[in-house]
Amino acid sequence: QVQLKESGPGLVQPSQTLSLTCTVSGFSLTSNSVHWVRQPPGKGLEWVGAIWSGGSTDYNSALKSRLSISRDTSKSQVFLKMNSLQTEDTAIYFCTRRKLGAFAYWGQGTLVTVSS
Amino acid sequence: DVVLTQTPVSLSVTLGDQASISCRSSQSLEYSDGYTYLEWYLQKPGQSPQLLIYGVSNRFSGVPDRFIGSGSGTDFTLKISRVEPEDLGVYYCFQATHDPLTFGSGTKLEIK
Repeated sequence: QVQLKESGPGLVQPSQTLSLTCTVSGFSLTSNSVHWVRQPPGKGLEWVGAIWSGGSTDYNSALKSRLSISRDTSKSQVFLKMNSLQTEDTAIYFCTRRKLGAFAYWGQGTLVTVSS
Repeated sequence: DVVLTQTPVSLSVTLGDQASISCRSSQSLEYSDGYTYLEWYLQKPGQSPQLLIYGVSNRFSGVPDRFIGSGSGTDFTLKISRVEPEDLGVYYCFQATHDPLTFGSGTKLEIK
């Protein structure tokens, strides 16, 4: 069955780089897009970016200069890298897969806290 | 960027009553292929969001027919008839027609 699981450091220092991994199973990255969505504590959802089935990427315009999304199809993994982290980047980060033109499958999310 | 304005911000509903949530877009959400990439999600407390409606009015697998999406262009509505306890949470509209993709700010549904 389809599964997505986020993993990452939990705590990142300000100005450092965040690296997250989304490990997927039950579907192919070459046939499906995977997106990242984040949610600051107590706040709403924010679309972060995506890697499409062909490998192209799209990013939230406010994060574009700091963000990179890539993948390793052989390992069924999608990576998010965001540099120059600030406290406002503290959030739960979800990865999600589109099916039927919508986010049909979600990971459980991973909390990233930016703090010294 | 496309701005999705959801109203109301919060909603308190008696069990069995109807709830209605509006999502207004700053631009038409009809794509050049004629499809409208407007979706609705529910995030229950402590959980990941879950898909309710895609393509304005199509219910995702397993979603009760109490959930009805409608609208076109820039104005969209999610109606929940006969609200049940498991419907509480925050509802978000989302558009994937224009890049970058964007969420609405959310509507919190509480049960009276």
